Amino acid sequence: GQQVMQIPQYQHVQEGEDFTTYCNSSTTLSNIQWYKQRPGGHPVFLIQLVKSGEVKKQKRLTFQFGEAKKNSSLHITATQTTDVGTYFCAGAGNNRKLIWGLGTSLAVNP
Amino acid sequence: GAGVSQSPRYKVAKRGQDVALRCDPISGHVSLFWYQQALGQGPEFLTYFQNEAQLDKSGLPSDRFFAERPEGSVSTLKIQRTQQEDSAVYLCASSLHAAQYFGPGTRLLVL
Repeated sequence: GQQVMQIPQYQHVQEGEDFTTYCNSSTTLSNIQWYKQRPGGHPVFLIQLVKSGEVKKQKRLTFQFGEAKKNSSLHITATQTTDVGTYFCAGAGNNRKLIWGLGTSLAVNP
Repeated sequence: GAGVSQSPRYKVAKRGQDVALRCDPISGHVSLFWYQQALGQGPEFLTYFQNEAQLDKSGLPSDRFFAERPEGSVSTLKIQRTQQEDSAVYLCASSLHAAQYFGPGTRLLVL
């Protein structure tokens, strides 16, 4: 079945360093979404990417969707302690069902 | 309401007991999703409603799991004869377009 792999599983950075998480799907996606989950919280929607090669920015966050629509990345510039949490990618095929990666847990040392 | 609400927030059940988990979606949201999230894992899809119609229930782990949304708003996830492996956080999300808005979840512990 369809699988979404996400790496790394954990990332520990010093505040101010950059951070990137990568997402790879076993099948071509119609779109990919990114969510952030704080410890003890629930997933919060960040963004959706739909077009091949799409790049979107939200302040210090940059999201990319690969040309083949099978991979994606999230890059955070100059991390802050407020960025702590687990970042999930979730891919959609031809229906509304999302297949979620295992997430990348980000820890930031002040 | 302002967001998705779920009740109860915590539930402890004895093995074999039936439980019912409630989700109140954001008003007007057509789509409603149920997920199961184990510790340290990503959400696992259980089932999906569009209004009152259950369009996909492929993620329900067994016939002990049953979900309904009879009037296209509030939804209930029922687990019969709970087992220890059912212990997890059960998340509900509602959606109007692409973004899914999650409730706080129900943490179920089966002893």
